[in-house]
Amino acid sequence: QKEVEQNSGPLSVPEGAIASLNCTYSDRGSQSFFWYRQYSGKSPELIMSIYSNGDKEDGRFTAQLNKASQYVSLLIRDSQPSDSATYLCAALNDYKLSFGAGTTVTVRA
Amino acid sequence: GAVVSQHPSWVICKSGTSVKIECRSLDFQATTMFWYRQFPKQSLMLMATSNEGSKATYEQGVEKDKFLINHASLTLSTLTVTSAHPEDSSFYICSARLVGGQVSPLHFGNGTRLTVT
Repeated sequence: QKEVEQNSGPLSVPEGAIASLNCTYSDRGSQSFFWYRQYSGKSPELIMSIYSNGDKEDGRFTAQLNKASQYVSLLIRDSQPSDSATYLCAALNDYKLSFGAGTTVTVRA
Repeated sequence: GAVVSQHPSWVICKSGTSVKIECRSLDFQATTMFWYRQFPKQSLMLMATSNEGSKATYEQGVEKDKFLINHASLTLSTLTVTSAHPEDSSFYICSARLVGGQVSPLHFGNGTRLTVT
């Protein structure tokens, strides 16, 4: 079983819609969770971090964490073509950061 | 924000040669840096953890004699791919966390695309 799993995608949404990304993790010892955005050929860029249960909002992004269910999600509201990228979910346990395989999002203009 | 600089951004080398990649934390000190490798359409795979002033910790399956890591200062870690072969062609990315920021996120360098011919 992979430590971090994401819905495989690709996910295609129309411009202005909400993109919903899901992630589960297997290690209950994971303490912190992050969403990174990666454009093709580029390195990952941090967009959200979440450490406690509940929702965290930052602009058009909302991260949700449910430690009991070992579930993390990311909502992108009012999706823009510039949001088209691969989104990586990551879980931190101790010093090690484990990444999911990523979900590729395409926003259709 | 924290900046991690990686150099070179791309390199092409011949099979059998060695390539050195540098990773620098520009505006903060990093006792620990991490080296990842990413093959096309795959996620990031941690190769090793670079510890300032001590030996690196390698992940299972990563050859320490092939991927030499040196972390000589709080702002610089280097990865040397020795005797490179075409299967080593990949996107190598370093990252760092702020000193004392145990739960803080990683900041990534821009990556190095290595092509071995």
